[in-house]
Amino acid sequence: RKEVEQDPGPFNVPEGATVAFNCTYSNSASQSFFWYRQDCRKEPKLLMSVYSSGNEDGRFTAQLNRASQYISLLIRDSKLSDSATYLCVVTPTGNQFYFGTGTSLTVIP
Amino acid sequence: DTEVTQTPKHLVMGMTNKKSLKCEQHMGHRAMYWYKQKAKKPPELMFVYSYEKLSINESVPSRFSPECPNSSLLNLHLHALQPEDSALYLCASSHRENNEQFFGPGTRLTVL
Repeated sequence: RKEVEQDPGPFNVPEGATVAFNCTYSNSASQSFFWYRQDCRKEPKLLMSVYSSGNEDGRFTAQLNRASQYISLLIRDSKLSDSATYLCVVTPTGNQFYFGTGTSLTVIP
Repeated sequence: DTEVTQTPKHLVMGMTNKKSLKCEQHMGHRAMYWYKQKAKKPPELMFVYSYEKLSINESVPSRFSPECPNSSLLNLHLHALQPEDSALYLCASSHRENNEQFFGPGTRLTVL
C-alpha cells in the first residue's frame, strides 16, 4: 500500500469556482503534513502546512482528519493563476517525506 | 536569504562522464535533501543529510554519490550514469526534521 494516495485529476474548473483536493495516508503515526504547489517545469513551492485544528490562508483552507487519515485542501474563488499541480506531503517519521502523485488543476476563464 | 540555489540549471553528460551538482542554502537549515523527479511524477527522495551526516539513503545506485562539505552546501557526484537517470534533480532544505522543506530550482539532467 502506498504511503500517500492522491487523486491525480485533472480538475478543470471555471474561474471563481471552489475546488477541493484530498490525500489519504497509510501510517497513523504520521507527524507532519503539507501542501505544495508545482508549476510546469518548476520546483515545488510550499503552499501551507496542515495543522490538526485546520488552517486558512486567504482563499486556501487546509484540514487534517487523523481519525480517517486524510488531509484536504480547499481553494475558494479560483483564479487563473491557481492552475498548477498540487502535491500533498506526509512525514511518517523523522526526515522521511512522502509525496502524493499530485493533482492537476486547470482554472478556465 | 530565503532561497535554495542549485547549479548548474541544465546539464548534458555522456555515460562515461563525471559531473557534480551543487546546492547551497544560507537559511541555517540543518537538514538537506536530494530528490529525483521524472516528468509528470512526484519527487522521489534520494538522500537526506541531517546535521551534515547522511541519515537516509533510499537505495540509490552507487553511481550517485552525495557529499555534504558543510551545513550550507550539498553536492551530488555523478559517474557512469544511464540514460534513464535523465530527470530533474531537486535539492531541498528544512530547519530540522519534520519541518517544511524549501526547494531549489533544480538541475535538469540529460544523459546521452
